[in-house]
Amino acid sequence: EVVLTQSPATLSVSPGERATLSCRASQSVTDNLAWYQQKPGQAPRLLIYAASTRATGIPARFSGSGSGTDFTLTISSLQSEDFAVYYCQQYYDWPPWTFGQGTKVEIK
Amino acid sequence: QVQLVESGGGLVKPGGSLRLSCSASGFTFSDYYINWVRRAPGKGLEWIAHITGSGNTIYYADSVKGRFTISRDNAKNSVYLQMSNLRAEDTAVYYCARDRSADAFDIWGQGTMVTVSS
Repeated sequence: EVVLTQSPATLSVSPGERATLSCRASQSVTDNLAWYQQKPGQAPRLLIYAASTRATGIPARFSGSGSGTDFTLTISSLQSEDFAVYYCQQYYDWPPWTFGQGTKVEIK
Repeated sequence: QVQLVESGGGLVKPGGSLRLSCSASGFTFSDYYINWVRRAPGKGLEWIAHITGSGNTIYYADSVKGRFTISRDNAKNSVYLQMSNLRAEDTAVYYCARDRSADAFDIWGQGTMVTVSS
């Protein structure tokens, strides 16, 4: 089973600042990695797939990078609506499809 | 409008059973795989079950294998999750989510809450 480790667990950022979230896989997942955003009481929303491709309707301030075992989600200039929990997920070696434990982005 | 809508959650006693439904609209349902993912209180996302478009291939997480059964009815654009022998640790919001071919999960339902408590 591929274990995904996200860091940090919580990230405190001021609006307008840049946020950088990390996801590390226990073995290579090539570029079969996605990022999701989840707000309280809402379903997860796909942000990034194939490590760096934005999903339909996702603003350009969200970008993904990496391959193999190390991945990064960057939010270039945080907006109020971006404060949420972010998860990475691998779909390279399945089953199971696995998620990281999440990074909470909170207002500083 | 492409959407998935879950239903069937509720309060059930330990050892009890519950059947969740996921109803799809706005896309060719049989072209897509469907997954069930849950989020327990204070925890992260956990994938628990997967079914291919034809229903011929099914996978389960070890945590639910032997207790949960996923199925689908393409004529009704629906997927089901039959849950039995429920435990307190099954308490969670359950989401259905689609993927095209073991790919990222691009559309999610709003979730249905299952509480297992005496």
